[in-house]
Amino acid sequence: DQQVKQNSPSLSVQEGRISILNCDYTNSMFDYFLWYKKYPAEGPTFLISISSIKDKNEDGRFTVFLNKSAKHLSLHIVPSQPGDSAVYFCAARGTGNQFYFGTGTSLTVIP
Amino acid sequence: DAGVIQSPRHEVTEMGQEVTLRCKPISGHDYLFWYRQTMMRGLELLIYFNNNVPIDDSGMPEDRFSAKMPNASFSTLKIQPSEPRDSAVYFCASSLRRRDRGAFFGQGTRLTVV
Repeated sequence: DQQVKQNSPSLSVQEGRISILNCDYTNSMFDYFLWYKKYPAEGPTFLISISSIKDKNEDGRFTVFLNKSAKHLSLHIVPSQPGDSAVYFCAARGTGNQFYFGTGTSLTVIP
Repeated sequence: DAGVIQSPRHEVTEMGQEVTLRCKPISGHDYLFWYRQTMMRGLELLIYFNNNVPIDDSGMPEDRFSAKMPNASFSTLKIQPSEPRDSAVYFCASSLRRRDRGAFFGQGTRLTVV
């Protein structure tokens, strides 16, 4: 059963606007949450993370928000740029240092 | 560092044949993960190792799948016999037990079983 879910397979946003990608999880034992970015024919690369004891982490144009009561996190990209077009995976860290991933959201930023 | 190295990049094989995917993790990393990427399930964790020891293989879909890590610098994922539904991209990743950076991925092996 999917422990990490991304319910939006795709998202299109105009350049300069905000992109919001969403993720839900089921296991309250997860202690770290991460976002990865993936270009075609490449492996996923780490983008940003957040500890379960925080509700927000910001790194430049990227901000991750965590709502533990709702078991929900989101990634905000402001402003969106064409180079941000990629597949974004949400991931959660289990107690054994393993990482569970969602199904991904394909983001297209339109120039 | 060269990063996580996977071979081959592409593999086309006939149904029933044995397939072996290879991975060299980043030097010094003590965790190694095998993932399978499909449209339906995204990045699915198959098995992971800590210090060359398999910790959790509950994600391995069937007994046809097996994985080994004979030493800290090499791991294999074997499918025997292969079936068309095994066609997917298989990723290897490695990490330290550092909570904030996650795992580093290889470029993947695209497997096609015909």
